[in-house]
Amino acid sequence: NAGVMQNPRHLVRRRGQEARLRCSPMKGHSHVYWYRQLPEEGLKFMVYLQKENIIDESGMPKERFSAEFPKEGPSILRIQQVVRGDSAAYFCASSPIGLAGVSVTDTQYFGPGTRLTVL
Amino acid sequence: KQEVTQIPAALSVPEGENLVLNCSFTDSAIYNLQWFRQDPGKGLTSLLLIQSSQREQTSGRLNASLDKSSGRSTLYIAASQPGDSATYLCAVRANAGNMLTFGGGTRLMVKP
Repeated sequence: NAGVMQNPRHLVRRRGQEARLRCSPMKGHSHVYWYRQLPEEGLKFMVYLQKENIIDESGMPKERFSAEFPKEGPSILRIQQVVRGDSAAYFCASSPIGLAGVSVTDTQYFGPGTRLTVL
Repeated sequence: KQEVTQIPAALSVPEGENLVLNCSFTDSAIYNLQWFRQDPGKGLTSLLLIQSSQREQTSGRLNASLDKSSGRSTLYIAASQPGDSATYLCAVRANAGNMLTFGGGTRLMVKP
């Protein structure tokens, strides 16, 4: 069973360009979470999605950032008009059980991350 | 708003030493607490998960304890090895949601 996959692993963009980060959850997982790790800081929650639904986006910046998890294909985190402050590692995690019918033993499995550098 | 703090921020010990990493959280209404390991430039590896009803979990040389009422958890590493060198992250999951709130991490260096 392959783990959570993220691509690209490294992404370089110039200011003003768009960045698209992809996350394929573990097989059988239908819940995806995105976290951001700024340099020398801890991981911060951004958004929680189920297939075709955004469940919690309380950690998403109000502008330029969006996320989706379509019925088919990977989850996408999209950053428009990137700025230098967007440079960070973006991690995706997946879990098999979400809020409804939540299990106390479920855990989130993390991908290797995408390191975004904005020049 | 939940806040998670890890002390110390960095730790350097000689090989073979037993050590304790600390994690504290401000809101005791948690669902579970998880310890992760992060190697430089890599993703997170889950080490131990403690449910809110549990007091501790053990895996090999690792032991994690949880005192929910005081908002504290410790990760005990026995007989440390150079391969244990990494950043250790503590994360709590609130009762009301699925997101994890992370501490800033403890950077551990075990010297041969």
